Amino acid sequence: QVQLVQSGPEMKKPGASVKVSCRASGYTFTAYSVHWVRQAPGQKFEWLGCIKAGTGYTEYSHNFQDRVTITTDTSASTVYMELSSLRSADTALYYCARDGYSFRYYFDFWGQGTLVTVSS
Amino acid sequence: EIVLTQSPGTLSLSPGERATLSCRASQSLSVNTLAWYQQKPGQAPRLLVYATGHRATGIPDRFSASGAGTDFALTIRRLEREDFAVYYCHQYDTSPQTFGQGTKVEIK
Repeated sequence: QVQLVQSGPEMKKPGASVKVSCRASGYTFTAYSVHWVRQAPGQKFEWLGCIKAGTGYTEYSHNFQDRVTITTDTSASTVYMELSSLRSADTALYYCARDGYSFRYYFDFWGQGTLVTVSS
Repeated sequence: EIVLTQSPGTLSLSPGERATLSCRASQSLSVNTLAWYQQKPGQAPRLLVYATGHRATGIPDRFSASGAGTDFALTIRRLEREDFAVYYCHQYDTSPQTFGQGTKVEIK
């Protein structure tokens, strides 16, 4: 069965960077794209970006363009999301999610979420 | 970016009742570019519907969805206890993809 397993919670200071991992199993890793979405307390879900796991091609939200980097390690079937210049507003639950069709579509499987807390 | 507005914010219903949730987009969406998710406390969202009206694998047929342009709806024909949760719409027509703020379906 398809599973996306994310790394554990992170606590960071303002200005630092965080790198969250998402290990995929149960499907051909390079055949699907993976997205990153976050859910801050009381806020809407926000889409950060996505990556085609087979080619490494990425697309980012203009809201995070300069701060987010998504990469893959195909040998480990793992996707990484790095967010830099952290501020308190980045405190949120970060999810990876598999694209259900191709590249810019809906999310058919989700990771369990990684809590990132930014505090001085 | 496209803003999705869901209504109502909270729906208080009893098991067996029908629930109708609305999602309105700030601009017209291309055909089949809206999805719906269900989220329960402490869990990741679960895909219910994609391409406006296609149920995801394993989703019971009491869930149905429809719409076009700027107005979309999710209907739960007869609520079961497991359906009480928060529901989100999501557009993937235009980058950045965006979500509604959610509708909570609670037990009356």
